[in-house]
Amino acid sequence: ETVMTQSPATLSVSPGERATLSCRASQRISNNLAWYQQRPGQAPRLLIYGTSTRATGFPARFSATGSGTEFTLSIDSLQAEDFAIYYCQQYNFWPYTFGQGTKLVIK
Amino acid sequence: QVQLQESGPGLVKPSETLSLTCTVSGGSISDYYWNWIRQPPGKGLEWIGYVYYSGTTYYNPSLRGRLTISVDTSNNQFSLNLNSLTAADTAVYYCARGQRWEQYFDSWGQGSLVTVSS
Repeated sequence: ETVMTQSPATLSVSPGERATLSCRASQRISNNLAWYQQRPGQAPRLLIYGTSTRATGFPARFSATGSGTEFTLSIDSLQAEDFAIYYCQQYNFWPYTFGQGTKLVIK
Repeated sequence: QVQLQESGPGLVKPSETLSLTCTVSGGSISDYYWNWIRQPPGKGLEWIGYVYYSGTTYYNPSLRGRLTISVDTSNNQFSLNLNSLTAADTAVYYCARGQRWEQYFDSWGQGSLVTVSS
């Protein structure tokens, strides 16, 4: 199974600043990496797919890069609604696996 | 826009079988993969398995042997059956759509909390 490791577990950032979240795969997963945003009490929502393509409804201040085993999600000019849990997911190998999540909290 | 809605019991006894159904509306069930994902309270996400509209399935090896996922294209529904339940199966169960060529999940149900307890 491909293990996805996210860091940090909790990230404290002030509104208006930039947040950088990391995701590492235990083996190369090409660009088959997605990110999801989950707000309290809600289902996860697709944010990024194919490593760097933004899903419908998310503004350009969300960006993502990476390849192979190292991936990064960046959020510029943090807004109140961005403070949530973010999960990465690989879909290159069965079984599909998620990282344990990074909780983005207000500093 | 496609919408997914889970339905099923909120409480199931240990050793019994969980049955959940996901109803797809606003779009066809054809040409997509239909997934189940679960999230224990306060924890992360675990992919359970999928069914393709043709009936092809793939299950997470951690649950294989206890799990059946099926599709009913005539009613735009797919279902999960998980047997021999224990407290470790307590979770919010989500259904989600996966693309044909890339298995990211672009539409999710709101989730159904299932508690395994006597």
